[in-house]
Amino acid sequence: SQKIEQNSEALNIQEGKTATLTCNYTNYSPAYLQWYRQDPGRGPVFLLLIRENEKEKRKERLKVTFDTTLKQSLFHITASQPADSATYLCALVLYNFNKFYFGSGTKLNVKP
Amino acid sequence: DVKVTQSSRYLVKRTGEKVFLECVQDMDHENMFWYRQDPGLGLRLIYFSYDVKMKEKGDIPEGYSVSREKKERFSLILESASTNQTSMYLCASSLHRRKQGPGNTIYFGEGSWLTVV
Repeated sequence: SQKIEQNSEALNIQEGKTATLTCNYTNYSPAYLQWYRQDPGRGPVFLLLIRENEKEKRKERLKVTFDTTLKQSLFHITASQPADSATYLCALVLYNFNKFYFGSGTKLNVKP
Repeated sequence: DVKVTQSSRYLVKRTGEKVFLECVQDMDHENMFWYRQDPGLGLRLIYFSYDVKMKEKGDIPEGYSVSREKKERFSLILESASTNQTSMYLCASSLHRRKQGPGNTIYFGEGSWLTVV
């Protein structure tokens, strides 16, 4: 069956460190992968996307990698701040479809 | 900025009631979605619509129906609410892939918290 797995345990890190979140998937062949941020009681907000033929993408303090052989994406936040505390969701988009498949998210807590 | 507006933020309904959740987007997007989000289960797609009057079942359509009479509006209907439908419901929209191609992103509303008692 198709699965998208993100670590369900919260990630607790100290301010200034790099946070790394993982998204693994099985039985999908995504055209691209996206990362979203969700704050409590709010809808997810798009952050970054990476195409299946790209290895790495950066945007300010954010970096995403995509390994289609391992079927894994890593999402990094460098120089993390307490304001980065939120739940981060990965989403897969398949070729020829308009649907988005989401993982369950990983909660990040950045402590001052 | 894209805006997806869900009409009700918090609702409490009784078992067996018919429930309407309304969603409007202002960016002329072809695609609209209804998801529900539950702890540990993530976002699960209920229904998807890629055009007016068109709909496709998602992963968990049982107990739900949808209506898309106008491009900007997508309604989720619970014909007879049950307690296991207590959840947060998220509406979203996006451009059709043929318009934006790779790189299509999805825009969410703020969510509707439904409690069925």
